[in-house]
Amino acid sequence: EVQLVESGGGLIQPGGSLRLSCAASGFTFSDYWMTWVRQAPGKGLEWLANIKRDGSEENYVDSVRGRFTISRDNANNSVFLQMNSLRAEDTAVYYCARDLKYLYCSGGNCNTVGLAMDVWGQGTTVTVSS
Amino acid sequence: DIQLTQSPSFLSASVGDRVTITCRASQGIGSSVVWYQQEPGKAPKVLISATSTLQSGVPSRFSGSGSRTEFTLTISSLQPEDVATYYCQQLHIYPLTFGGGTRVDIK
Repeated sequence: EVQLVESGGGLIQPGGSLRLSCAASGFTFSDYWMTWVRQAPGKGLEWLANIKRDGSEENYVDSVRGRFTISRDNANNSVFLQMNSLRAEDTAVYYCARDLKYLYCSGGNCNTVGLAMDVWGQGTTVTVSS
Repeated sequence: DIQLTQSPSFLSASVGDRVTITCRASQGIGSSVVWYQQEPGKAPKVLISATSTLQSGVPSRFSGSGSRTEFTLTISSLQPEDVATYYCQQLHIYPLTFGGGTRVDIK
């Protein structure tokens, strides 16, 4: 069964750090990009970051760039989100998701194109409060 | 950043009704639009990718259409199990962005 399981959430004081983990199973982890998405209480979804199959490319939303770092360990089928300088507005449920891409080639040029976040974990809750 | 505006933000319809949700982008995004369904307390689930490709296992009453800046998700005959919040997402350019969501309820 294809599965993602997040862990590492909890209550943390403003300015603190937390490392989230996401363990993958049921698929060849190193074949896929991975993404982190969060959802503040009662709010919508916010894409945070993704990482390429081999870890050679990372992308971030401005609100977390420089504070959060995405990484992965293909040997242990895991993706991580290191969160530093946490703020109250980072309080949310954090989801990892498998980030499906495909290669689009035209006229000799090829680009990686996003298709969907097709597998999601159950989420881990981060609460930033004093 | 590309802004996605969903409308309406809430809708209430009867079982069997045809329901349409619109997602408007602040600039052209080709066909790189995905629709997700999120039931209360659960993770999102992908319904449609690349504007109109129905994911395996998703009922055929769901369909997607559109191009460039305007996209729609249609439920042809609303069922009680469709009560959820629906989000569009663009995968055209970073940062990837979601619409604000549309909550669908049964009248």
